[in-house]
Amino acid sequence: SQTIHQWPATLVQPVGSPLSLECTVEGTSNPNLYWYRQAAGRGLQLLFYSVGIGQISSEVPQNLSASRPQDRQFILSSKKLLLSDSGFYLCAWGPFRGAGELFFGEGSRLTVL
Amino acid sequence: GENVEQHPSTLSVQEGDSAVIKCTYSDSASNYFPWYKQELGKRPQLIIDIRSNVGEKKDQRIAVTLNKTAKHFSLHITETQPEDSAVYFCAVNNAGNMLTFGGGTRLMVKP
Repeated sequence: SQTIHQWPATLVQPVGSPLSLECTVEGTSNPNLYWYRQAAGRGLQLLFYSVGIGQISSEVPQNLSASRPQDRQFILSSKKLLLSDSGFYLCAWGPFRGAGELFFGEGSRLTVL
Repeated sequence: GENVEQHPSTLSVQEGDSAVIKCTYSDSASNYFPWYKQELGKRPQLIIDIRSNVGEKKDQRIAVTLNKTAKHFSLHITETQPEDSAVYFCAVNNAGNMLTFGGGTRLMVKP
């Protein structure tokens, strides 16, 4: 069966420090991969999606970047964190073709101080 | 792009009552409408979904109804229980099959 792992689960970072969140998927090939951010008490905002290795699309202009170095690995990064980057970050995978269920990772709670 | 509005933002019901959450969307080409449940501090998980070729789908106490003409769909939970307390999100696919989520509804079921 398919599983999705995301880490770290929580982190507290100072303003201006770098960030790296990692997500890996097992049990499926060529998935579509997504990074969402959820501010406290708010909805899910799509940040990036990827349909294949090296293919990244961004939904909103921001201080973050994403990379997909391998088929089942998706990384969210920042060179210098801002206070507004605080939130709950969720990685997700979905079917390559057609609309279908998104499977979310456990989430990474980031607090920028 | 797709615009998804979800109402109400908070809903409080007594245990055993029914709860209804409604979403409206803008893109008439959308054809996939899932509902996710997110418990506090956890990941969202799919609870039910419907495709545009049907008008209603039911799974035990949960049902979803779709009105494609009016571009809205609703989640119905009957005989609510305290463990139904969570945030519920609707979503709609766009032309690229990306999901756009509604703003969420915080459901509180009072015992």
